[in-house]
Amino acid sequence: QKEVEQDPGPLSVPEGAIVSLNCTYSNSAFQYFMWYRQYSRKGPELLMYTYSSGNKEDGRFTAQVDKSSKYISLFIRDSQPSDSATYLCAMSDILTGGGNKLTFGTGTQLKVEL
Amino acid sequence: KAGVTQTPRYLIKTRGQQVTLSCSPISGHRSVSWYQQTPGQGLQFLFEYFSETQRNKGNFPGRFSGRQFSNSRSEMNVSTLELGDSALYLCASSHTSGGRTDTQYFGPGTRLTVL
Repeated sequence: QKEVEQDPGPLSVPEGAIVSLNCTYSNSAFQYFMWYRQYSRKGPELLMYTYSSGNKEDGRFTAQVDKSSKYISLFIRDSQPSDSATYLCAMSDILTGGGNKLTFGTGTQLKVEL
Repeated sequence: KAGVTQTPRYLIKTRGQQVTLSCSPISGHRSVSWYQQTPGQGLQFLFEYFSETQRNKGNFPGRFSGRQFSNSRSEMNVSTLELGDSALYLCASSHTSGGRTDTQYFGPGTRLTVL
């Protein structure tokens, strides 16, 4: 079983919909949680970064972390065709000699249709 | 500010050969991490270098190695290539790491195909 599980999709939604993307994890030492967006043939781009539990909002994006359930979510409001991409969750801890080792989910492919 | 650059962008090699990939981090960033991305396994951490020292290492065989230079540029090397090494190799840089996870900025990747 992988440390981070993410539904690969694909997820298809109409323009303007609210999108919910989720990841579950098993390592209770994870403290830093990130969401990346990756367009085809590009490197991942950081969307949201949160530490420990709680919510964080940035424009149309909201990230939620529930450490008690080992569950994180990304919500996209008023989705646009330009949001069509693969969304990757990533997480890390600082207990393994340094904090820059990220463990990723396999990514959810999102398509927002006109 | 220029982003993370990786060269070459595409590479085709045959089994048994070796390959060297290069990464130039964002100016001022001292940490460089490498990841392998494949359709089946997703993004997997290879190693991280900070101030020319390997600080973290993932679960990859010794055929995968890296180094970092005094200007923070990094190279990774894969020896005795196998078909399964075909992947997108991504480099990420971050400013520093003082006991927390920093924001990592990814380059566009090098697409390696092993025939």
